[in-house]
Amino acid sequence: QSALTQPPSVSGSLGQSVTISCTGSSGDVGSYNRVSWYQQPPGAAPKLLIYEVTNRPSGVPDRFSGSKSGNTASLTISGLQAEDEADYYCFSYAGSYTMVFGGGTKLTVL
Amino acid sequence: EAQLVESGGGFVQPGGSLRLSCAASGFTFSPYWMLWVRQAPGKGLVWVSRMNSDGSTISYADSVKGRFTISRDNAKSTLYLQMSSLRVDDTAAYYCARESYYALEVWGQGTTVIVSS
Repeated sequence: QSALTQPPSVSGSLGQSVTISCTGSSGDVGSYNRVSWYQQPPGAAPKLLIYEVTNRPSGVPDRFSGSKSGNTASLTISGLQAEDEADYYCFSYAGSYTMVFGGGTKLTVL
Repeated sequence: EAQLVESGGGFVQPGGSLRLSCAASGFTFSPYWMLWVRQAPGKGLVWVSRMNSDGSTISYADSVKGRFTISRDNAKSTLYLQMSSLRVDDTAAYYCARESYYALEVWGQGTTVIVSS
């Protein structure tokens, strides 16, 4: 049950786009389209942004999008806004009814 | 509106026990898989345990297997986490969450567990 690998930090300027990667293995990300992404502002509970790799729950802006290639899933945030500054986590089914999070990525909006 | 409220956190010595509760409201609790997730101070989210709707399928992270027990009472719309043999590294905020399509769509606000001598 090793954590999925995310970059510790990314940054981007207002209005730009950033992509956060989430690398797992053939036992989790690579085998299942069951990757989700969460946004966690400081001091708050996480919020679901993307489920099943590419799907957005209602209310999540279309500036947030997800994709996957092989063992790596990605979250892209376009048109960066100041309120996007937060920690972001990926989460994947890992087989045998277990789940695993990524280590988290801190997004700084410049 | 769907809501989850955790309780039961507190201060406990190493080796001690604690039971967390997660009360659900605003939705029908029984059909959903439910999970516990924890977050140590300044650290990332870690999946702890997962249970299906009727309790027949349960899984645990290796770090808590044999020490923590997840359970639920669908009649009371409540999820539980019984924690025993607690260690200093179990110190964390503990969140319960409702799962749908293998994603955590509703989260509680968390309850804090501090394990210290």
